[in-house]
Amino acid sequence: GAGVSQSPRYKVAKRGQDVALRCDPISGHVSLFWYQQALGQGPEFLTYFQNEAQLDKSGLPSDRFFAERPEGSVSTLKIQRTQQEDSAVYLCASSSPGSSYEQYFGPGTRLTVT
Amino acid sequence: AQSVTQLGSHVSVSEGALVLLRCNYSSSVPPYLFWYVQYPNQGLQLLLKYTTGATLVKGINGFEAEFKKSETSFHLTKPSAHMSDAAEYFCAVWNQAGTALIFGKGTTLSVSS
Repeated sequence: GAGVSQSPRYKVAKRGQDVALRCDPISGHVSLFWYQQALGQGPEFLTYFQNEAQLDKSGLPSDRFFAERPEGSVSTLKIQRTQQEDSAVYLCASSSPGSSYEQYFGPGTRLTVT
Repeated sequence: AQSVTQLGSHVSVSEGALVLLRCNYSSSVPPYLFWYVQYPNQGLQLLLKYTTGATLVKGINGFEAEFKKSETSFHLTKPSAHMSDAAEYFCAVWNQAGTALIFGKGTTLSVSS
């Protein structure tokens, strides 16, 4: 079956613009995660959903970052008033019921803020 | 707090040589440990995982790792490197809250012919 998909794959935004990044998880996966990967670093956790409920958003770096998953499937990560330090690859992952730790990652969205 | 340390940001081996990528973790609870591989412009792919049971775990592409509680280590090995193994490798631990993976900074593996 299809894996996790993310769109767009690449996004260039001018400083101050708002962006929206989309994640389509594997069908049937109730858990969905967002990570931020800066250049040359490992991924860092942003937020976690179980179905439509956002159970952990402790990793969101500021109130400019907002994530939603209204119907428990597709998720959107929104960044308002982008800053240069927001430039990174944003990875989405999903996992099946009963094994949240075994995550399947999408290809990521590379965001460049100029 | 839990953390992962990967020793060596860059490892170079010759084709056919042993691959050893080091990972040490810090955790106050029995850890769930993972190794992921990332090829350029791609997402992360799970190589192997340790949750409970046998401490030597085998993964895809001939990789294996051994959980050593006394050393708080989970080193990744492969007996014979292939050119196709060149990639970025990340060690990770499942966080205590059960909501996220905590990753190390990664090790770039280069394989020369």
